[in-house]
Amino acid sequence: ETGVTQSPTHLIKTRGQQVTLRCSSQSGHNTVSWYQQALGQGPQFIFQYYREEENGRGNFPPRFSGLQFPNYSSELNVNALELDDSALYLCASSLAEQRGFSGNTIYFGEGSWLTVV
Amino acid sequence: DQQVKQNSPSLSVQEGRISILNCDYTNSMFDYFLWYKKYPAEGPTFLISISSIKDKNEDGRFTVFLNKSAKHLSLHIVPSQPGDSAVYFCAASRDTDKLIFGTGTRLQVFP
Repeated sequence: ETGVTQSPTHLIKTRGQQVTLRCSSQSGHNTVSWYQQALGQGPQFIFQYYREEENGRGNFPPRFSGLQFPNYSSELNVNALELDDSALYLCASSLAEQRGFSGNTIYFGEGSWLTVV
Repeated sequence: DQQVKQNSPSLSVQEGRISILNCDYTNSMFDYFLWYKKYPAEGPTFLISISSIKDKNEDGRFTVFLNKSAKHLSLHIVPSQPGDSAVYFCAASRDTDKLIFGTGTRLQVFP
C-alpha cells in the first residue's frame, strides 16, 4: 500500500459532460502528478502540482485542468468529455525536496477508471 | 513521438528461468531510467532504477542494464517466479519526477 488514495475507482460519463477525479497524496508529500493510461498504452504525463501551483504539463488540451489544496490533495478536472478520454487516470505523489531522484520516492494510487459513452 | 519504446507486448517464461524485458529510448538527455510493475486493478509499483552514469544496477533477483550508446536498457529477472506475472513498464526522466513511460510488456511466468 502506497498511502495514495484516489476516488472514485470507476465511473461512467456521457460525451460532453465534465468529470472531477480526486487524489489524496502520501503523508508528507507536497507534489502530485496526474497520468492518463489508455488501454494498451503506458501512462502519459498530464501535469504536476507543487505547493498548489502547476509545475509542468504534458501534451494535453486546456480542458484538462487541476487543483492542489493546502493539504496537498489534488483534483483533476476534465471538461467537454470525449470518447478518447476513456482511460485509467493515475495520481502519483512525491516529495520535491527529497535529495536526489531515485524513482522509489514516487508513489502511485490505484487509479480511477473513466468510461465515456 | 514515442520517446520510450517497449517493442515486445508480451513475454512468456517458465518458472525458474530468466526473464529479459527490453526497452529502447530516443532522447539522449534522459538521465534516469526506471522499471515499474503493475498488477490489474493496482497502480504501478517501483521495482528498480538506474542512473545514466551507470551501466548496471542490481537488487535481489532484479538487474537493470543500460547501454547508452545503443539507447537501450533491459530488466533481467532471475529466477522468474509465478508472482512476477504482471505488466512491466519502462520509464525515463531528466532528473525529475515527471516520467515518460513505455507501452509495457506483459510477463507471464508459468510453472
